[in-house]
Amino acid sequence: DAGVTQSPTHLIKTRGQQVTLRCSPKSGHDTVSWYQQALGQGPQFIFQYYEEEERQRGNFPDRFSGHQFPNYSSELNVNALLLGDSALYLCASSLGQGEPNEKLFFGSGTQLSVL
Amino acid sequence: QKEVEQDPGPLSVPEGAIVSLNCTYSNSAFQYFMWYRQYSRKGPELLMYTYSSGNKEDGRFTAQVDKSSKYISLFIRDSQPSDSATYLCAMKGANSKLTFGKGITLSVRP
Repeated sequence: DAGVTQSPTHLIKTRGQQVTLRCSPKSGHDTVSWYQQALGQGPQFIFQYYEEEERQRGNFPDRFSGHQFPNYSSELNVNALLLGDSALYLCASSLGQGEPNEKLFFGSGTQLSVL
Repeated sequence: QKEVEQDPGPLSVPEGAIVSLNCTYSNSAFQYFMWYRQYSRKGPELLMYTYSSGNKEDGRFTAQVDKSSKYISLFIRDSQPSDSATYLCAMKGANSKLTFGKGITLSVRP
């Protein structure tokens, strides 16, 4: 049973560029959430997708956008990259339509470095 | 004040020690409490998941929740070098958004 898979594992970009990160949820899961983890910090919630729609959003600017496909996989897009966007980007999947009692399972993340 | 505060680290203990990791929170709406373990360059792995106040045991791990004091703990018995990792407390309220603590890095010395 494949867990949550993310690609690429590492990425280097320069300021002002745009980036797309990808996530395939755990088999059977229909909900995908994205988190940003800066060095030495806990993950911070970016947004959640269910049924191809953004259901919840954290305190992140509009430069951060996403998409969910019919097969439940998801993309995170970040435009106009800033140095402060350098972080580990984590995808988490769950089954439960965003209900509070659902358990989240994380992928290994994409390490983004902005130079 | 942050919603979730976690004891700062790092923490270093000898093999076999009992480890106590703690978090406090300020948001009374939090209902679900979790502990995640994160190895270097990996994503967080769910260790313990609790809802009600009290203790929940799973092998060498015990999660404790005190909602009246807004305090949660994770105890690790007979700690092993393989337990060396960063431990994150996390909690959520009426939706599935997780709010994490900062994490504490644990090192278990052989």
